Amino acid sequence: DQQVKQNSPSLSVQEGRISILNCDYTNSMFDYFLWYKKYPAEGPTFLISISSIKDKNEDGRFTVFLNKSAKHLSLHIVPSQPGDSAVYFCAASGHTDKLIFGTGTRLQVFP
Amino acid sequence: DAGITQSPRHKVTETGTPVTLRCHQTENHRYMYWYRQDPGHGLRLIHYSYGVKDTDKGEVSDGYSVSRSKTEDFLLTLESATSSQTSVYFCAISEGSVGTEAFFGQGTRLTVV
Repeated sequence: DQQVKQNSPSLSVQEGRISILNCDYTNSMFDYFLWYKKYPAEGPTFLISISSIKDKNEDGRFTVFLNKSAKHLSLHIVPSQPGDSAVYFCAASGHTDKLIFGTGTRLQVFP
Repeated sequence: DAGITQSPRHKVTETGTPVTLRCHQTENHRYMYWYRQDPGHGLRLIHYSYGVKDTDKGEVSDGYSVSRSKTEDFLLTLESATSSQTSVYFCAISEGSVGTEAFFGQGTRLTVV
């Protein structure tokens, strides 16, 4: 039973435009959410996070939005760059020590 | 980069043989995790550890065991490898649990033939 879901397996965006990656979760006990980026043949690397007490967190070109009532979060990348092409995972943690990941979205940024 | 090393990086083994993957960290982080990455499934938690000799199951723990006798080492063992365990395995470490980021190793590609 997937507690963290990324329903779009892939996304293609033109360079300079906005990329929006979505993530849904089912466990209301999650209270911290993270986004990771993964290039081929490398381990995932941390990108940005948000606590459940906030609804927005921004870091440069990356902004994460959290809608607790909808159990939904999104990652916005503006402007998108070719180097952003990677697989993006959202992850959640809560009252347990487990860090649960979603299925990932492959982002391709084309010129 | 966080000091985390996985070994081996690649392994091919036969069905029914035991396999042990090692994760070694130099960061003295309390938490260590083993994940597997498969197409269509993303990253799934196998087992994790919250201290020496303290471990717990993740989402897909069947067929796997772990041990942590030292802070720096977290071993993942497949007692009798099956073809369904062909995957890329990632180890991760973190200082805390909730609210702290995890750092990942480079991964181990395991093929069971």
